[in-house]
Amino acid sequence: DAGVIQSPRHEVTEMGQEVTLRCKPISGHNSLFWYRQTMMRGLELLIYFNNNVPIDDSGMPEDRFSAKMPNASFSTLKIQPSEPRDSAVYFCASSGNREVHFGDGTRLSIL
Amino acid sequence: QKEVEQNSGPLSVPEGAIASLNCTYSDRGSQSFFWYRQYSGKSPELIMFIYSNGDKEDGRFTAQLNKASQYVSLLIRDSQPSDSATYLCAVNFGSSNTGKLIFGQGTTLQVKP
Repeated sequence: DAGVIQSPRHEVTEMGQEVTLRCKPISGHNSLFWYRQTMMRGLELLIYFNNNVPIDDSGMPEDRFSAKMPNASFSTLKIQPSEPRDSAVYFCASSGNREVHFGDGTRLSIL
Repeated sequence: QKEVEQNSGPLSVPEGAIASLNCTYSDRGSQSFFWYRQYSGKSPELIMFIYSNGDKEDGRFTAQLNKASQYVSLLIRDSQPSDSATYLCAVNFGSSNTGKLIFGQGTTLQVKP
């Protein structure tokens, strides 16, 4: 079975540019999560969706971050404008019961 | 107070020994608890989950849960060098399977041959 699929795997861009991260959850899973991982702050929950509806976005750091889930098989996390402090690994994860499974992550570097 | 707390380590054990990893959490209403393993440069991988008080065994791994003490632990028996990784404790902060999963900072385990 295909796991959670994220793209791109790596992204390097200059500050001020728009960044879009993409995620395809595991088929049949009804919850989707976006996490950010840094050495300093660990694994932080940014936002999660249930049945395509955002349930809790309290972890989104600021208005520069936005996330959408237009259908059950696709979600995006957008940063506009990007800043160097946004550099991190961004993970998408999905769940069909209580078990959450992670994608391989997007390593984002903002120069 | 952090929501999920772990000792960052590193925890160093000799090969063949038992490694004990501990975690405390703040929300008394939490009902689901998970242990993830993360190798350097990789994504977290689910290795154990526990929902009821007591012990749950799966191969060399045993998860222990004490809701009254808000404490969950992971024991790894017969530790192998391949077990060297960061172990993340995660707690579902909610009363249903749609609750948000919050992670501790992780404990780095080093198993020395």
